[in-house]
Amino acid sequence: QPVLTQPPSASATPGQRVTVSCSGSRSNIGSNSVNWYQHLPGSAPKLLISGNNQRPSGVPDRFSGSKSGTSASLAISGLQSEDEADYYCATWDDSLNGRVFGGGTKLTVL
Amino acid sequence: EVQLVESGGGLVKPGGSLRLSCVASGFTFSSYNFNWVRQAPGRGLEWVSSISGTGTNIYYADSVKGRFTISRDNLKNSLYLQMNALRAEDTAVYLCARDADLDHWGQGTLVTVSS
Repeated sequence: QPVLTQPPSASATPGQRVTVSCSGSRSNIGSNSVNWYQHLPGSAPKLLISGNNQRPSGVPDRFSGSKSGTSASLAISGLQSEDEADYYCATWDDSLNGRVFGGGTKLTVL
Repeated sequence: EVQLVESGGGLVKPGGSLRLSCVASGFTFSSYNFNWVRQAPGRGLEWVSSISGTGTNIYYADSVKGRFTISRDNLKNSLYLQMNALRAEDTAVYLCARDADLDHWGQGTLVTVSS
């Protein structure tokens, strides 16, 4: 079972806003920053958000991240068909002394 | 342009060994930590191991500790994963990823453990 908890699926129509949650504990999200990754099957995963809310160069500002306590969220506004992918949160876990991922959320654009 | 290319995957019997490689280009390899991450069929991403730029600091997931060994050769811009005592549950695509933020990833190499 993944250490971080994400909903297995989410869906929305083009143009809408969707959020993906990521729940952890004091030893991981509560103590470290969260990154978000977009993964299309067959392609290399792509870093979307680092440091809870920082977008790497080239990532559209439609993607935003936030963190509060032991939870984090990824928001995608102005949803586009090409946003259909799997989304993963990740952070470091001080108790496990390793990096941990969420189970992933499959986003469907209806 | 940052490029990471994995190789070395294949079919291996339970209990067997395999050595994966990841060759990097487009940046100063020795300046970055590196990671191995895997994705089993139909499952999510799972972190496997990390190594610092000098190779001094190394971490493993509990699921592979004692069986897998991560290493690097900064002169060859290469990252390695020696996998011993392989189990069916190690079947996955193995990806290398750069830095603590995993800011660049390779496409992965498939490891299948089956008799």
